[in-house]
Amino acid sequence: QQQVKQSPQSLIVQKGGISIINCAYENTAFDYFPWYQQFPGKGPALLIAIRPDVSEKKEGRFTISFNKSAKQFSLHIMDSQPGDSATYFCAAAPQGNQFYFGTGTSLTVIP
Amino acid sequence: NAGVTQTPKFQVLKTGQSMTLQCAQDMNHNSMYWYRQDPGMGLRLIYYSASEGTTDKGEVPNGYNVSRLNKREFSLRLESAAPSQTSVYFCASRDYGGVSSEQFFGPGTRLTVL
Repeated sequence: QQQVKQSPQSLIVQKGGISIINCAYENTAFDYFPWYQQFPGKGPALLIAIRPDVSEKKEGRFTISFNKSAKQFSLHIMDSQPGDSATYFCAAAPQGNQFYFGTGTSLTVIP
Repeated sequence: NAGVTQTPKFQVLKTGQSMTLQCAQDMNHNSMYWYRQDPGMGLRLIYYSASEGTTDKGEVPNGYNVSRLNKREFSLRLESAAPSQTSVYFCASRDYGGVSSEQFFGPGTRLTVL
């Protein structure tokens, strides 16, 4: 059973547009919600992360919105650029060592 | 600092052959992980090691064994490879209990089992 559900599977956005990727979870024990970015042929790298005591975190053009009651969180990429074209994974982790990843979203930003 | 390194980068095996994937980290992290990545499946945890001397099963441990050789190194062994184990394998490390919860990933090993 997928612990973290991610959508959409793929996304195409025009340069300058907003990219939005959504994730949902069920386990209320999760207390750390990172987003990873992966370029072809590379390992994932942490992009931004949030803990459930805040509803939003912003780093540059990247924002996580977190809705604890709905058990959902999303990544917003403002002013999307061709260099943002990559696969994005959401994840969730409890106060322990296991991370649970979403199935990934392939983002293509068209110039 | 090299971060997390993995060897080999690519490998082709025949069904039934065995091999060991090597992983090392130079960040003095206590926790290390092995994941496999398959199209449409995301990253799935195979095994992890919370600290030197301990290992635990993840979501998909069948067909794999691990060894936490020391704090730096964590290896993944396929005793009898099967086509279903064709995948990209990533090793990661983390300073569990430290200031940051970030996992750092290696570049991956692309394994094909014929």
